[in-house]
Amino acid sequence: DTGVSQDPRHKITKRGQNVTFRCDPISEHNRLYWYRQTLGQGPEFLTYFQNEAQLEKSRLLSDRFSAERPKGSFSTLEIQRTEQGDSAMYLCASSLRGGENTGELFFGEGSRLTVL
Amino acid sequence: AQSVAQPEDQVNVAEGNPLTVKCTYSVSGNPYLFWYVQYPNRGLQFLLKYITGDNLVKGSYGFEAEFNKSQTSFHLKKPSALVSDSALYFCAVRDEFTGGFKTIFGAGTRLFVKA
Repeated sequence: DTGVSQDPRHKITKRGQNVTFRCDPISEHNRLYWYRQTLGQGPEFLTYFQNEAQLEKSRLLSDRFSAERPKGSFSTLEIQRTEQGDSAMYLCASSLRGGENTGELFFGEGSRLTVL
Repeated sequence: AQSVAQPEDQVNVAEGNPLTVKCTYSVSGNPYLFWYVQYPNRGLQFLLKYITGDNLVKGSYGFEAEFNKSQTSFHLKKPSALVSDSALYFCAVRDEFTGGFKTIFGAGTRLFVKA
C-alpha cells in the first residue's frame, strides 16, 4: 500500500467550469476527510465520511461543493461553477475507526486548483 | 468549539541549537493533540500525538512535545535542530467529546534552521 493518493495533482480551469477531484485512501481505513488549504493557512476542514456515510460537513462547503464516497472506498469532491476564490490545495486524509483510532490522519499530497 | 493558535508565523534557529514551536488550544472536553509537518510540495506528515498519560510525548525525527493542561499548551521541541528540520509545522486538536472526528489545524509555523 502506497498511502493516500489524489488525482489530479494540479488542475487549472476557467471560472464557471466544474471540476472533480478523486481520493483513494489507505485500503484498511474507513474514515476519509477532505480539507482545503490556502497559501499561508492551515488546512480547513470540509467534510468527512465513515464508510459511505457523510457524517459532517463544514459551513465552508457551499451548495456548489459536493462530496461522495459511494462504496466506502474512494471519494470524489466536485466543485460546480468554480470561482476564483475556490483556488486552493484540496487535501484528502484517511484514518482508522474504533479503538485503534486515536485520530492520526494520513494525508495525500493534495490536488491544487487554480481558477482563472 | 475547538480552536488552535500558533502565535509565531516563523521561528529561526541555528543548527545544533534547541528549538521550540508554540501551540495553544481551546476545547470543551479532553483534547487529542497532534503535530504535523509539511515539507515543500509534500503532503502533511504526522509527527506525534498526545491522547492521555505522560505529558511529554516523543515522536518522529527526534521531536517531542509537552502537554500542559493548566496553560492549554502543547509546544513542540527538539534538543538539537538540523537544517533538514526546516519546514512548515502545524499543531492540531480534536475534542474528545464534542468535536466528533473533526481535527482542527492551526495556521502553521515556518521553521528555518540555519547552518
